Amino acid sequence: KNQVEQSPQSLIILEGKNCTLQCNYTVSPFSNLRWYKQDTGRGPVSLTIMTFSENTKSNGRYTATLDADTKQSSLHITASQLSDSASYICVVSGSSNTGKLIFGQGTTLQVKP
Amino acid sequence: SQTIHQWPATLVQPVGSPLSLECTVEGTSNPNLYWYRQAAGRGLQLLFYSVGIGQISSEVPQNLSASRPQDRQFILSSKKLLLSDSGFYLCAWSVQWSGLYYTFGSGTRLTVV
Repeated sequence: KNQVEQSPQSLIILEGKNCTLQCNYTVSPFSNLRWYKQDTGRGPVSLTIMTFSENTKSNGRYTATLDADTKQSSLHITASQLSDSASYICVVSGSSNTGKLIFGQGTTLQVKP
Repeated sequence: SQTIHQWPATLVQPVGSPLSLECTVEGTSNPNLYWYRQAAGRGLQLLFYSVGIGQISSEVPQNLSASRPQDRQFILSSKKLLLSDSGFYLCAWSVQWSGLYYTFGSGTRLTVV
């Protein structure tokens, strides 16, 4: 069964600290993996997208890694800011012409001053 | 550039009333279009997707229906709303035949009372 599991479910950190969010998937065949940031009451916004051959991709203070062998990905946030408080969703796309995605449940991050 | 518009942003409807949520995409042609629902504290659930005008695929049995009367217009409807239809509804589009470009709308918060 195609699944995407994220951990932790929620996380609280102090402003300025770093954190790492985890994503494990069992989707096969695999096309690409994305990380989205979703602010409360808003639509998800893409942070990074990685295909099978990519191991790491950065977007400002966000760095995503992908290990296609172990089917694991992580999202590292450096020097967190209050505006980083949001839900972070790992999404995996299998090889499909419809572009259907498999969504993780998300990690809710709260950055406190 | 491509943009996706979704409205209304919030909606409060009584049980048994009809529903119509609209989503339009600009700046592209022949997109794949999607409707998702996100219950409180839950992940995104794909409800419908469409690969062309008049072509609708339903992912889960439910009280809702979707239609695509024009290439860049996707409508989510219900004849009689249930309390369980409450949630956050998101429209999304992707470049057809590619899972790489996937953009979400800003969402509609539906509360059925």
